[in-house]
Amino acid sequence: SQQGEEDPQALSIQEGENATMNCSYKTSINNLQWYRQNSGRGLVHLILIRSNEREKHSGRLRVTLDTSKKSSSLLITASRAADTASYFCATHSGNTPLVFGKGTRLSVIA
Amino acid sequence: GAVVSQHPSRVICKSGTSVKIECRSLDFQATTMFWYRQFPKQSLMLMATSNEGSKATYEQGVEKDKFLINHASLTLSTLTVTSAHPEDSSFYICSALTSASGNTIYFGEGSWLTVV
Repeated sequence: SQQGEEDPQALSIQEGENATMNCSYKTSINNLQWYRQNSGRGLVHLILIRSNEREKHSGRLRVTLDTSKKSSSLLITASRAADTASYFCATHSGNTPLVFGKGTRLSVIA
Repeated sequence: GAVVSQHPSRVICKSGTSVKIECRSLDFQATTMFWYRQFPKQSLMLMATSNEGSKATYEQGVEKDKFLINHASLTLSTLTVTSAHPEDSSFYICSALTSASGNTIYFGEGSWLTVV
């Protein structure tokens, strides 16, 4: 069953703008991961943030995690047309499978 | 880095036939693999957990007799869609769990199944 909820479900921005996506979850986690998926393709792992971390950076990506609110955000700065994709958060605990949120469809207009 | 290979990447089959999808961990042993299904414009939904040498654990609403999972070795799990129907057309993705680096999960590239 799905645990996470992302918002917004869809986001359309101009190239160069920043894109922020949020994810909420319900149970305790070991880590939270963000993935990108281009239409009809497999998943691309973007970043993993552990439950004892609050913020993590990777290139143009910035992820925050607030375990007290059971929420995370993904910020993509200076967006590019190539960033157009669906973005999913997924929570992980122990040796259980990843549980995915519903995803945010990001469109970056050149 | 670790690689999980899925085959075939795309398959078209006739209604009523069966099709097998393979998921291989290429450079690590995976005692546990997970199978997901994704319908267009939807998220990934866990179908079942595949454990090497034992029966798979299916999620609620997933028919175990229709989606046969075999995890016969530490590097291979297979998903067989039996008596396929057009509504089984979907994107199927596997992932493999390794205890290295604290229970890391790696995903395959996915398999598109179209039932005509």
